[in-house]
Amino acid sequence: GDSVTQMEGPVTLSEEAFLTINCTYTATGYPSLFWYVQYPGEGLQLLLKATKADDKGSNKGFEATYRKETTSFHLEKGSVQVSDSAVYFCALSVGGGYNKLIFGAGTRLAVHP
Amino acid sequence: DGGITQSPKYLFRKEGQNVTLSCEQNLNHDAMYWYRQDPGQGLRLIYYSQIVNDFQKGDIAEGYSVSREKKESFPLTVTSAQKNPTAFYLCASSSAGGRGSGNEQFFGPGTRLTVL
Repeated sequence: GDSVTQMEGPVTLSEEAFLTINCTYTATGYPSLFWYVQYPGEGLQLLLKATKADDKGSNKGFEATYRKETTSFHLEKGSVQVSDSAVYFCALSVGGGYNKLIFGAGTRLAVHP
Repeated sequence: DGGITQSPKYLFRKEGQNVTLSCEQNLNHDAMYWYRQDPGQGLRLIYYSQIVNDFQKGDIAEGYSVSREKKESFPLTVTSAQKNPTAFYLCASSSAGGRGSGNEQFFGPGTRLTVL
């Protein structure tokens, strides 16, 4: 079945370090791909998305490219800040009328000054 | 401001009691969803609704029930049949979209349920 696999956390970085969080997926057809972020005690917020192969989603300095050949959607940021500390979820949409989302387990990021 | 509200933020329940979690949206979205989040895990779909007066079971519907009498509202009842109800519950909504439309889901702030 459809699934999403993320690298396990926690990921601990110093401020201004480069961030990569790996995400790979298994899906039939051509899913849309998403990264959501969850700050402590809050709901999820959409960070970025891509709807077809080779699309690059970007927002707030974060980027991810939809790679169909490697079934990946890795999240990157060139210089992280303390305020980026959160849990990041990769997800795919299997389409259909209601856009069911399948989530990875989440990766906790901790950024230290 | 448009968005999704969930209430209460924290909820405590005694074993054997039913409890209802509220979810309201003013985004004019047709579809609404309930997810359960446990520590260190991703979100699991409990129920979803594409239209008023219609809903379907998700991956972990046992011990839960929902209703969709209004477009804006999608309350979730956690029944006494749910064996391990302590968790963080998230409600979401989205506009309708066809395959590959990439329509995002908007999430509420969540309700943390603790069974005493």
